Order: sequence, then C-alpha cells, then structure tokens
Amino acid sequence: GAVVSQHPSRVICKSGTSVKIECRSLDFQATTMFWYRQFPKQSLMLMATSNEGSKATYEQGVEKDKFLINHASLTLSTLTVTSAHPEDSSFYICSASEGTANSPLHFGNGTRLTVT
Amino acid sequence: GENVEQHPSTLSVQEGDSAVIKCTYSDSASNYFPWYKQELGKRPQLIIDIRSNVGEKKDQRIAVTLNKTAKHFSLHITETQPEDSAVYFCAASTGGGNKLTFGTGTQLKVEL
Repeated sequence: GAVVSQHPSRVICKSGTSVKIECRSLDFQATTMFWYRQFPKQSLMLMATSNEGSKATYEQGVEKDKFLINHASLTLSTLTVTSAHPEDSSFYICSASEGTANSPLHFGNGTRLTVT
Repeated sequence: GENVEQHPSTLSVQEGDSAVIKCTYSDSASNYFPWYKQELGKRPQLIIDIRSNVGEKKDQRIAVTLNKTAKHFSLHITETQPEDSAVYFCAASTGGGNKLTFGTGTQLKVEL
C-alpha cells in the first residue's frame, strides 16, 4: 500500500530557531500534500495544502511567513517552522493521496516538536 | 467551510458490548467520510470509509452508516475488545484525496 514517510519523528529546539520537517511519498506521486497540526487531546487541524510546483494554500489563521511550505517535487513536501516559540510545540502530521478521485489520504508518522 | 461535529467526546464500554460514535457535517458538497483510529502519539489509521452514494458499509466488526439528508454519519463497533481502545476521528471531504475536515474525536475505552 501507499506509504508516507515523515522525518524527523521527534525534535527539540530552542526558542527562536527554525525546524524543517520532511514528508515523502515513497511509492506514489503526490501532487498535493496536506499539513496538519494536533495539540494534546485535540483534533487534527489543517494548516495548509501543499501543491507541487506552486504556492501552498494556507488555512485561515495560519501564518504563511512562519510556517514555510515547499513542495518542490512530486514526492517531497517540507514544512519549516521559523522562529519557533514554545506555543508552536505540537504534533505535526503530513498526509498525501495518490490523486485519483477515490484514493484515500495516507498519513505520515508525525513529528513531535518541542520548543524550549 | 466544512464543520464536523462529533459525539460523544468520551465513551466507555464493557468488552463485548457495542460502541457507536456519531458525526454531523455542514457542507452538502461533502461526499467522502472516512473514520480514523489514533493511538497515543501515533498517526491516524484509516479503519473504514464511506462515499455519499452508499448508505451503509461494513467490514467485520466495524460498520459505518450515512444519512445524506440529515448530514450525519455514524461508526458502529460490535463485540468490542480492549485493543479497540483509542481515539476515533470522523472526517469529511468533497472527495477522496481532497483535504479532510476532522471531527473533535472520541476517546473510546473498552473495559474488561
């Protein structure tokens, strides 16, 4: 089945630094990937839609200059959390689909970000 | 945009009993409704999904029903087992592969 790989699984960084998270579709091409954020005991909230070769589409309330998304190839999307603050500590999960009308979304394993 | 509500937020059942989780959605254009199971610290795992041209779908102990007129869909788990304990999320979208809007989640606990 389709596999989505996400790295790193855990990262701890200091306040003010930037962190890059990678999301790869291993055995299929994904023109669109989605980035979600999940705070403890809460639901998954869509942050942005990553489109290969074009600018990402951000959900309302998500700062595009803080959460930089690059989708440079059909198998890789990256999310960079810039100038991270403790309130950015969360579980970030990417997802991708094979693009056909009936294809389900496949999720990466998630990245636990802790900003100290 | 789409809004998905999910109830209950927590559910405790005895092993062997059935569990039912209900969701409602707001966007009549939504036509794809997956259910995910998420264990602590792990990614959501798709357990079953249903499309708007179907009213019910079953896979062993798990079934999902959809009422398009009322805009609600439900997850039914029969003969619950301790390993069914997890957080369950419903979701809706306008098609497989399109962005999902998730419900708020249900913490299911199956007690021995």
